[in-house]
Amino acid sequence: DADVTQTPRNRITKTGKRIMLECSQTKGHDRMYWYRQDPGLGLRLIYYSFDVKDINKGEISDGYSVSRQAQAKFSLSLESAIPNQTALYFCATSDFRGRGIATQYFGPGTRLLVL
Amino acid sequence: GQQLNQSPQSMFIQEGEDVSMNCTSSSIFNTWLWYKQEPGEGPVLLIALYKAGELTSNGRLTAQFGITRKDSFLNISASIPSDVGIYFCAGRPTLRQGAQKLVFGQGTRLTINP
Repeated sequence: DADVTQTPRNRITKTGKRIMLECSQTKGHDRMYWYRQDPGLGLRLIYYSFDVKDINKGEISDGYSVSRQAQAKFSLSLESAIPNQTALYFCATSDFRGRGIATQYFGPGTRLLVL
Repeated sequence: GQQLNQSPQSMFIQEGEDVSMNCTSSSIFNTWLWYKQEPGEGPVLLIALYKAGELTSNGRLTAQFGITRKDSFLNISASIPSDVGIYFCAGRPTLRQGAQKLVFGQGTRLTINP
């Protein structure tokens, strides 16, 4: 079984709709991240969380919100989706200890299309 | 914000050839990571580098952490069709610059002609 899972894997929605992307992990890591990937732009950080009570904005948080429901679950919401939020979204986790701080493990991604 | 310059953006090679790609930054990094992403999948960690000058291999892959701590390279020897994908570098900045997050390069897309 995969250590980091994301649901749904694909989603088509309309402008103005609220949607939620979910991420679960079985790695026992404290730190979780949401990234967005667009062609030619690499991975950009949306939000990150170092534990259940700690949520931080990344470089492109506008238009997004997150919820850390438990150590193993981190959800990303688009309150009112717009077409330029069409992208590939990745969840990642990392350990807080020693060298594990830097090493992030990624889920398989959610491909989102906003019409 | 901080950026990593990854080059080349794309490579078209023949099977069996060696591949070299690199990342550079104007800032110092404490850690360099190299990931590979295949279509429909998330990035998978290939190699992690933790100190300046470190040279690490993983099968046919070799990566080095530059002495200046501002660059890293990844080499793939004797490429095979399954090496196709997008390769990303990522760096962990120093404490003052936000060590809790990774900065990613824009990726190198590798295509191999059999």
